[in-house]
Amino acid sequence: DQQVKQNSPSLSVQEGRISILNCDYTNSMFDYFLWYKKYPAEGPTFLISISSIKDKNEDGRFTVFLNKSAKHLSLHIVPSQPGDSAVYFCAASAQNSGGSNYKLTFGKGTLLTVNP
Amino acid sequence: DAGVIQSPRHEVTEMGQEVTLRCKPISGHDYLFWYRQTMMRGLELLIYFNNNVPIDDSGMPEDRFSAKMPNASFSTLKIQPSEPRDSAVYFCASSLRASGVTDTQYFGPGTRLTVL
Repeated sequence: DQQVKQNSPSLSVQEGRISILNCDYTNSMFDYFLWYKKYPAEGPTFLISISSIKDKNEDGRFTVFLNKSAKHLSLHIVPSQPGDSAVYFCAASAQNSGGSNYKLTFGKGTLLTVNP
Repeated sequence: DAGVIQSPRHEVTEMGQEVTLRCKPISGHDYLFWYRQTMMRGLELLIYFNNNVPIDDSGMPEDRFSAKMPNASFSTLKIQPSEPRDSAVYFCASSLRASGVTDTQYFGPGTRLTVL
């Protein structure tokens, strides 16, 4: 049973336009969400995160939105650039008794292609 | 700063052989994670360590898999005997514990394992 789902395996957008990547989760205990970006032959790198006490977090061209009632989050990239072409992973974690989120559950990823 | 180092980057072996994957975490990080990425299951956590002690190995698929962390700067993931279905990319990640803060995990470049 997949607890974090990225239903779009791929997305193609034009340079300068907005890219919207979506992620759904089923575990209501998840309270921290992250997006990682992965280029071929490299490991995933952290992009942006959001706590469940917020509904939006922005960092430059990247904004993550969280809708807790729908158990849905999305990553917006504006404007999209060819260098953004990569696989984007959504990840979630649940607060454990120790006070930090150690265990990440990942979605399968969405391949974003930004065309010049 | 050197990131997480993994070796080898590529490994091709025959079914039944023992495979050992190696990881050097970022200096000072006290959490180490082993992940496996496949097309079918995406990126899944196998095991993680805190201060060299295994904390959660519930993701380890079978007894053929074992992981050790003899010191703060080195960990191994061993598969014995290996099977074709073990073919995947194996990632190691590390993070720094900061009380009350969710810690970013830094990934290595991965080891692509092919079992013939």
